[in-house]
Amino acid sequence: GAVVSQHPSRVICKSGTSVKIECRSLDFQATTMFWYRQFPKQSLMLMATSNEGSKATYEQGVEKDKFLINHASLTLSTLTVTSAHPEDSSFYICSAPKWAGSYEQYFGPGTRLTVT
Amino acid sequence: ELKVEQNPLFLSMQEGKNYTIYCNYSTTSDRLYWYRQDPGKSLESLFVLLSNGAVKQEGRLMASLDTKARLSTLHITAAVHDLSATYFCAVVPGNQFYFGTGTSLTVIP
Repeated sequence: GAVVSQHPSRVICKSGTSVKIECRSLDFQATTMFWYRQFPKQSLMLMATSNEGSKATYEQGVEKDKFLINHASLTLSTLTVTSAHPEDSSFYICSAPKWAGSYEQYFGPGTRLTVT
Repeated sequence: ELKVEQNPLFLSMQEGKNYTIYCNYSTTSDRLYWYRQDPGKSLESLFVLLSNGAVKQEGRLMASLDTKARLSTLHITAAVHDLSATYFCAVVPGNQFYFGTGTSLTVIP
């Protein structure tokens, strides 16, 4: 079964509103989680690294004030897209290492965001 | 700038044929991953290659890694329709994944 879940799986929001996406590790603790964005027919681009109990690390070009990341517990990281615009419409995927220091990642099922 | 390039980007092949997808990367990486993605879905792990010369096979897919050439291949043998998907390689310099450009594979009867 899935070991990393995301909620919601699909969301449609109006331009200018904010939307929160949750990423949960099931049955294991994840001090680090990763957030990716994937535009249609493109590759996955790392947006940020979410660290439990500390600030997220953002990749170059990703606006930290627009994409708010909170990793408040060892099993939950949230990504909030603030003041969403149509160009933010994308597939957002999170991942977590199988265990601390593990080479391998569990990927969440993804969240399809559509901003109208 | 780190680059992970796949070739070809699009591949249409007939059932029963063989083909190879290439993944070139521009940075040192001790390990390389191959993933499959079906439309609208997340990633499915196929292979983890952890050392130079590593070769892994699962069914009709075989992956290899040459860290000196910074090249990995994903070989498809006797393709079947179920293999139609997008395939990504990924390198991990440090602890962050950098994905390749992707190869969209369509297997036609």
